Amino acid sequence: KAGVTQTPRYLIKTRGQQVTLSCSPISGHRSVSWYQQTPGQGLQFLFEYFSETQRNKGNFPGRFSGRQFSNSRSEMNVSTLELGDSALYLCASSSDREGATNEKLFFGSGTQLSVL
Amino acid sequence: GDSVTQMEGPVTLSEEAFLTINCTYTATGYPSLFWYVQYPGEGLQLLLKATKADDKGSNKGFEATYRKETTSFHLEKGSVQVSDSAVYFCGRGGSNYKLTFGKGTLLTVNP
Repeated sequence: KAGVTQTPRYLIKTRGQQVTLSCSPISGHRSVSWYQQTPGQGLQFLFEYFSETQRNKGNFPGRFSGRQFSNSRSEMNVSTLELGDSALYLCASSSDREGATNEKLFFGSGTQLSVL
Repeated sequence: GDSVTQMEGPVTLSEEAFLTINCTYTATGYPSLFWYVQYPGEGLQLLLKATKADDKGSNKGFEATYRKETTSFHLEKGSVQVSDSAVYFCGRGGSNYKLTFGKGTLLTVNP
């Protein structure tokens, strides 16, 4: 069974640009979460989707948005990039309706975003 | 709100040494507790979990016990190997479809 796939693996952008990151969950998983990882802040929750519905959103500005498609694939978008958005963005999927509450998360390898 | 505090590293040990990484969590509700491990260049992998008080999660020689009275979930291993070098994250579940993580502890094991 294929794992969680994130594309692209690396991305370099300049301030003010926008970026879209993609995540394909494990087949059959309907919950997809996104996390931002930085050396200073660790792992910060961005949002979670289940069956195309956003069930929770972290404390990030409105420049960060996401969506989930009917096949459970998910994208996140960051508009008007700032230097501080440089981070590893991790996507995770899980199989259960409860998502991360009690169930194991399967993480992708992440997209490393550098904003210059 | 939910939070997790874990011991900050880096931690450097010699092979076969005993490992403890401390983790405490906020006591709101009865969350599931997790330890995840991140090897260089990879995403996180679940190492072990516990879903209720006094449960012991174990995997690959690592153990952690859910201690409700001290709101702790410390990770231990009796004899670490070079291959255990990684970043370890303690996490708690919640009722809102997210995991809250500690900031991570970098472990380096030298031969």
